Amino acid sequence: DAKTTQPNSMESNEEEPVHLPCNHSTISGTDYIHWYRQLPSQGPEYVIHGLTSNVNNRMASLAIAEDRKSSTLILHRATLRDAAVYYCILRYLPGVYGGSQGNLIFGKGTKLSVKP
Amino acid sequence: GAVVSQHPSRVICKSGTSVKIECRSLDFQATTMFWYRQFPKKSLMLMATSNEGSKATYEQGVEKDKFLINHASLTLSTLTVTSAHPEDSSFYICSARDQVWSNEQFFGPGTRLTVL
Repeated sequence: DAKTTQPNSMESNEEEPVHLPCNHSTISGTDYIHWYRQLPSQGPEYVIHGLTSNVNNRMASLAIAEDRKSSTLILHRATLRDAAVYYCILRYLPGVYGGSQGNLIFGKGTKLSVKP
Repeated sequence: GAVVSQHPSRVICKSGTSVKIECRSLDFQATTMFWYRQFPKKSLMLMATSNEGSKATYEQGVEKDKFLINHASLTLSTLTVTSAHPEDSSFYICSARDQVWSNEQFFGPGTRLTVL
C-alpha cells in the first residue's frame, strides 16, 4: 500500500478554518484518497474521499493537488468536537479496473487540538 | 449513516480465559468485516478480514489460533481472544463494509479489553 505522510499534530482555534495536509508522493493512478478521524476512545469515522477532483461534503472539503501527490483536508470552521486524530489513507477501489478493494491501513495520523 | 455496534464495550478478564467480542451491522448488510486492534497512543492495526461464510484472512504476525474470527451472517462477526494474557489488553475495533455503498467502511465504537 502506498504510504502517506502527515504532521504529528496541529493546533487550531475554534471557529477558524483548519487545513490538514497529507503527502502521498507514491500514489498510484488507482488509489483513492480517504480521510477518517478518530475521537478519543471511539472507533474511526469516515470523513471524505476523492480521486482527482476536489470534493465537498457536510463535514469537510478535500483539495487534491493536480499531480495527486498531496492533498489537504479542510475543516471550514473548527469546533471543539473536531478535536481528533485525522488519518489520510490511500486505498484502491476497483471501479472500472476491477479486482478487490484495498484495505484501510492506518498510519499515525495528525492529532488536531482545537482551542476555545 | 450506517451503524456498527460492538458488545461488550469493555471487558475485564483473568489471564487464561477466553473472551468473545461481537460486531454487528445494524442497518445494512456487510459482506466484509474487519478487525483492528489499537494500543494506547498508537494507530489502528489491521488484524484480519472476514467475508461472510468463509474463513478469515489474517494479517502477517496475527495468530489465527489465538484470535478466532467467525462471520456467520451478513450482520454479525465475532472475535474470540483465546487464553488471553495481559499483553492482549488492547482496544479492539471492528469495521464493516456496506454491500451497496462499498466505498465507505463503517467502524464500531470499539471494545476495551483488560486482561489481569
